[in-house]
Amino acid sequence: DQQVKQNSPSLSVQEGRISILNCDYTNSMFDYFLWYKKYPAEGPTFLISISSIKDKNEDGRFTVFLNKSAKHLSLHIVPSQPGDSAVYFCAASVYNAGNMLTFGGGTRLMVKP
Amino acid sequence: DAGVTQSPTHLIKTRGQQVTLRCSPKSGHDTVSWYQQALGQGPQFIFQYYEEEERQRGNFPDRFSGHQFPNYSSELNVNALLLGDSALYLCASSGGSSYNSPLHFGNGTRLTVT
Repeated sequence: DQQVKQNSPSLSVQEGRISILNCDYTNSMFDYFLWYKKYPAEGPTFLISISSIKDKNEDGRFTVFLNKSAKHLSLHIVPSQPGDSAVYFCAASVYNAGNMLTFGGGTRLMVKP
Repeated sequence: DAGVTQSPTHLIKTRGQQVTLRCSPKSGHDTVSWYQQALGQGPQFIFQYYEEEERQRGNFPDRFSGHQFPNYSSELNVNALLLGDSALYLCASSGGSSYNSPLHFGNGTRLTVT
């Protein structure tokens, strides 16, 4: 049973445009959500997080939106840059339950120059 | 400042054998978690160690065991290897006092079971 799903395995975007990556979850106990970026031959690196008490969190070009009623979150990257090309993982956890993350399957983002 | 380091980077084992993977956490971190990432999938939580004890465990069989040493480094042991154990094994560290400090991942150990 996949509790966190990223339904788009890949996404291609032109440089300078917006990239929108989506993630759905089924476990209503999840109240803390994170996005990680992964380049080939490297481990995932933390990008941005959001608590369920918020519906939006911004960090520079990256914004995460959370829709609790729909159990859906999205990551917006504006403007997209070729260096953003990587695999993006959505992850969820229960806050204060010890950082045990449940990951989605990932979305490969390709930003074309 | 060294990040999370894992060794070896690649490993090939035969079905039925045993393997040990090693991890040194980022400086200042005292909690180590292990994840398994099968090809084309997201990482899956195996277990977490804090103060030399297993604090949480995911849905993995007892063939998967671990250890944390007083210097916070950690080992992952897998016994009676199966072909399905072939995966990238990721170690992640975090500051134990803050349950939700973001995980810092190593580059992983690629295990191939033949």
